[in-house]
Amino acid sequence: EDKVVQSPLSLVVHEGDTVTLNCSYEVTNFRSLLWYKQEKKAPTFLFMLTSSGIEKKSGRLSSILDKKELFSILNITATQTGDSAVYLCAVTGTASKLTFGTGTRLQVTL
Amino acid sequence: EAEVAQSPRYKITEKSQAVAFWCDPISGHATLYWYRQILGQGPELLVQFQDESVVDDSQLPKDRFSAERLKGVDSTLKIQPAELGDSAMYLCASSLAPGTNEQFFGPGTRLTVL
Repeated sequence: EDKVVQSPLSLVVHEGDTVTLNCSYEVTNFRSLLWYKQEKKAPTFLFMLTSSGIEKKSGRLSSILDKKELFSILNITATQTGDSAVYLCAVTGTASKLTFGTGTRLQVTL
Repeated sequence: EAEVAQSPRYKITEKSQAVAFWCDPISGHATLYWYRQILGQGPELLVQFQDESVVDDSQLPKDRFSAERLKGVDSTLKIQPAELGDSAMYLCASSLAPGTNEQFFGPGTRLTVL
């Protein structure tokens, strides 16, 4: 059974800090890993990673995948209060469905 | 910008009643997914359609849940009868094709069963 574990479960940082969110996975015939941001609504897509070692970047957010060690990290630099959300990691494998982790709840304070 | 549409956004019902949720995926997206998200957890796949065919419904409680996508476009998820434990957010997502394409989520339907 496919499995995704995210850590930490939650964290509180001050505006301007840099944070790193972790995602480890077990999946049969890995195809892709996706990061989503979820505020008080549906998840919004951030990144999809399929190849090891290639960093995806969008503004202050970046993510990288390590297929050998079966994990990914999501970095957010110079955090802002608008970054407060739950960040979800998900993987697809043979079944092509998304298997989600429970998420990391990030709170950015002033 | 194209979006996944869902209705209703909120639904309150009493246990043993029937409820139905509707989803219209992004135009041209062949794959449609229904997820259930319980508070504090990640979404869990209930059913996946490829066009009008069910690809995966292994996690769908078939004694009370049903889903259809008759013309391969919009879809309906039904619960009958609803139970207290069904209270959750029901999310619909779509993608161009299964596998390595990103899934785009609709706003969800928040169901409360009293």
